Amino acid sequence: RKEVEQDPGPFNVPEGATVAFNCTYSNSASQSFFWYRQDCRKEPKLLMSVYSSGNEDGRFTAQLNRASQYISLLIRDSKLSDSATYLCVVNRAGTALIFGKGTTLSVSS
Amino acid sequence: DVKVTQSSRYLVKRTGEKVFLECVQDMDHENMFWYRQDPGLGLRLIYFSYDVKMKEKGDIPEGYSVSREKKERFSLILESASTNQTSMYLCASSLGASGSGADTQYFGPGTRLTVL
Repeated sequence: RKEVEQDPGPFNVPEGATVAFNCTYSNSASQSFFWYRQDCRKEPKLLMSVYSSGNEDGRFTAQLNRASQYISLLIRDSKLSDSATYLCVVNRAGTALIFGKGTTLSVSS
Repeated sequence: DVKVTQSSRYLVKRTGEKVFLECVQDMDHENMFWYRQDPGLGLRLIYFSYDVKMKEKGDIPEGYSVSREKKERFSLILESASTNQTSMYLCASSLGASGSGADTQYFGPGTRLTVL
């Protein structure tokens, strides 16, 4: 099993749609989980941390299932500006983070 | 806001040249990282450092070395550049230990290196 695995997409959705991304990770000892966003030719930027209880930030909801080693990101009411690549990120032992290869989202009008 | 800067946005070098990529962060972060990003391969960790003069190999350290003489500065060195080192190089920093949110990484804008 790869350390962090994501569906690469692309996901092509119309404005206003709800879209969900999934991610699995292999290290059951991981403690930190994140979603990063990367725009074309730009650096990755933190979108949100993911907590065991699940957390929400506006239109974005992240969930963590430790038993299944599964992380999800839900985007409601998609905007054109949400078009980007979304990276699932999990910590390895110590301070290193492992980045998934990303899921590409394209929102069209 | 955390600011991570990289010395160049674009760099063109010749095979065999020694290449220095510099990264500076202004938030007194303990940890600094170097990644390369290639299409289809994602972000891959080259080296990281959790303290001054300390370094740890990442997943693909071959052909690279690093230097951290000051807390705010982390340099990536290509001793003898090769064409397969053509890539986007991204530097990142984080405050501290994992599990506390302090391991959130903040990235510089990247250096696109082309080796001819």
